[in-house]
Amino acid sequence: ELKVEQNPLFLSMQEGKNYTIYCNYSTTSDRLYWYRQDPGKSLESLFVLLSNGAVKQEGRLMASLDTKARLSTLHITAAVHDLSATYFCAVDNDMRFGAGTRLTVKP
Amino acid sequence: DAGVIQSPRHEVTEMGQEVTLRCKPISGHNSLFWYRQTMMRGLELLIYFNNNVPIDDSGMPEDRFSAKMPNASFSTLKIQPSEPRDSAVYFCASLRDNYNEQFFGPGTRLTVL
Repeated sequence: ELKVEQNPLFLSMQEGKNYTIYCNYSTTSDRLYWYRQDPGKSLESLFVLLSNGAVKQEGRLMASLDTKARLSTLHITAAVHDLSATYFCAVDNDMRFGAGTRLTVKP
Repeated sequence: DAGVIQSPRHEVTEMGQEVTLRCKPISGHNSLFWYRQTMMRGLELLIYFNNNVPIDDSGMPEDRFSAKMPNASFSTLKIQPSEPRDSAVYFCASLRDNYNEQFFGPGTRLTVL
């Protein structure tokens, strides 16, 4: 059974700092997705990573995929308060989601 | 584009009642997904359709749950009879094959008393 593990599950960081969220998965897959969810809201697609070595960037967020290590990272650069949300990764095989990382950015 | 449309947005019902959740995918999208989100279990894929055909329903919790997609623009998720443990937010999502980006609807918050 495919397992998707995110860490950390909770992340509190100061504005201006950098940090990385990790997403490990247990079986072979060449597609990985990152989503953002604000409290009480739906999920918004951030990145779709389709191949080994894929790297995508949007603003202060950068996502990468290493299919050999079965690992994806979501890197946050110079965090701002607006990035506070829960971030999910999902693996394509059966669209299994990680537990989510609840990010809080403090001034 | 109106995005994925779900109705109702909120539903409160009593245990034992039938509940029907509805979803209209984005026009032109040929895959549709139903998810359930709870604090305890996170986000779970219940079932997904491709070209109106159910492909994987292994996530459907039990026989009380059923889903249909009679045409490309409409799907339903039915719970009969409902139980308090079914209380959750149910999301519908759609995507267009080969484009890979999945779009989520606003969700239906179901409370079963």
